Amino acid sequence: GQQVMQIPQYQHVQEGEDFTTYCNSSTTLSNIQWYKQRPGGHPVFLIQLVKSGEVKKQKRLTFQFGEAKKNSSLHITATQTTDVGTYFCAVGGDYGGSQGNLIFGKGTKLSVKP
Amino acid sequence: DGGITQSPKYLFRKEGQNVTLSCEQNLNHDAMYWYRQDPGQGLRLIYYSQIVNDFQKGDIAEGYSVSREKKESFPLTVTSAQKNPTAFYLCASSIGLYNEQFFGPGTRLTVL
Repeated sequence: GQQVMQIPQYQHVQEGEDFTTYCNSSTTLSNIQWYKQRPGGHPVFLIQLVKSGEVKKQKRLTFQFGEAKKNSSLHITATQTTDVGTYFCAVGGDYGGSQGNLIFGKGTKLSVKP
Repeated sequence: DGGITQSPKYLFRKEGQNVTLSCEQNLNHDAMYWYRQDPGQGLRLIYYSQIVNDFQKGDIAEGYSVSREKKESFPLTVTSAQKNPTAFYLCASSIGLYNEQFFGPGTRLTVL
């Protein structure tokens, strides 16, 4: 079945440093979504990428979808304490996918030291 | 206000008791989902439903049951057969499969 690997599992940064989390799949993806979960909260949708090589920006966040549609990254420039939380990628079942649903990565937990 | 609600926020039960977690949405979404979240495990799918009166097992359905009698409601029952039920349970909905999911605030279940 389809699997998605997300790395790193944890990342500790000093405020102002950059942060990147990666999501890798063993199969070609139809799309990928990114979510953020604040401590004690619930996941909140950030963005969806669909096209090969797509790059989207939201203020200090940059999302990329690989040319082969097997990997994606989320990059945060100059982290702030408000960026603290766990970032999840979620992939749609590929052609003939096993679940017919999104499959979530295990997440990258970001902590930011002021 | 449109949204998805879960109740209660915290729930305590004795071992061996069944417990039902509530999930309601007024977003007019067809698809609804239940996830379980344990520390370091991410989100694991328990059950999902694409349409009223139909639902499918996810990766960890054993020990759980659901119903979808109304579009707005997708309650989850944690049965006594679930060996390790203490966890954070999240309900979500979306227009359709693969679309952006909207999550409820979650229910933290502790079985004593």
